[in-house]
Amino acid sequence: QKEVEQNSGPLSVPEGAIASLNCTYSDRGSQSFFWYRQYSGKSPELIMSIYSNGDKEDGRFTAQLNKASQYVSLLIRDSQPSDSATYLCAVNRGRRGGATNKLIFGTGTLLAVQP
Amino acid sequence: GAVVSQHPSRVICKSGTSVKIECRSLDFQATTMFWYRQFPKQSLMLMATSNEGSKATYEQGVEKDKFLINHASLTLSTLTVTSAHPEDSSFYICSAGLPTLNTEAFFGQGTRLTVV
Repeated sequence: QKEVEQNSGPLSVPEGAIASLNCTYSDRGSQSFFWYRQYSGKSPELIMSIYSNGDKEDGRFTAQLNKASQYVSLLIRDSQPSDSATYLCAVNRGRRGGATNKLIFGTGTLLAVQP
Repeated sequence: GAVVSQHPSRVICKSGTSVKIECRSLDFQATTMFWYRQFPKQSLMLMATSNEGSKATYEQGVEKDKFLINHASLTLSTLTVTSAHPEDSSFYICSAGLPTLNTEAFFGQGTRLTVV
């Protein structure tokens, strides 16, 4: 089982729709979760971080975390063609007072927003 | 967010030669930096954790003698790919930040290495 799993897609949504991206992780003790966006040939850029159960909203983006289900999601409202990219879910493997913090990435979901 | 600068952005080298990639944190001090490798249509794979003033910690399966990491200052880590082969051709990305659980990592621009 991979540490962080995502559906590779592509996920195709029409412009203006809501895009829903999902991620599951295997290490129940994980504390911190991140969504990165990566355009082709570029390095990842941080979209959202979430550390506690529930929803976190930032503009058109909402991250949702459910630690009991080991599930993280990202909703993109009013999707735009410029949102077309690969979205990477990342989990910090660290522990409080424990192992070195480091990010483990999922394989990413390719999102295509159709004009 | 914090700024991490990586250089060069693109390099082509001959098989058997060595290539050095630099990663700098421009507006903060980074005691820890991370090096990733990404093959086409695949995710970022962590290669090693670079620790300022001490030896790097390599992930399982990564050859420490082939991928030399030096973190001589709080703002600079270097990755040297020694005796490069075509199979080393990849996108190499560094990141800095993440000193605690609830902080974020920021990435350099990446280096596209092509070994011919």
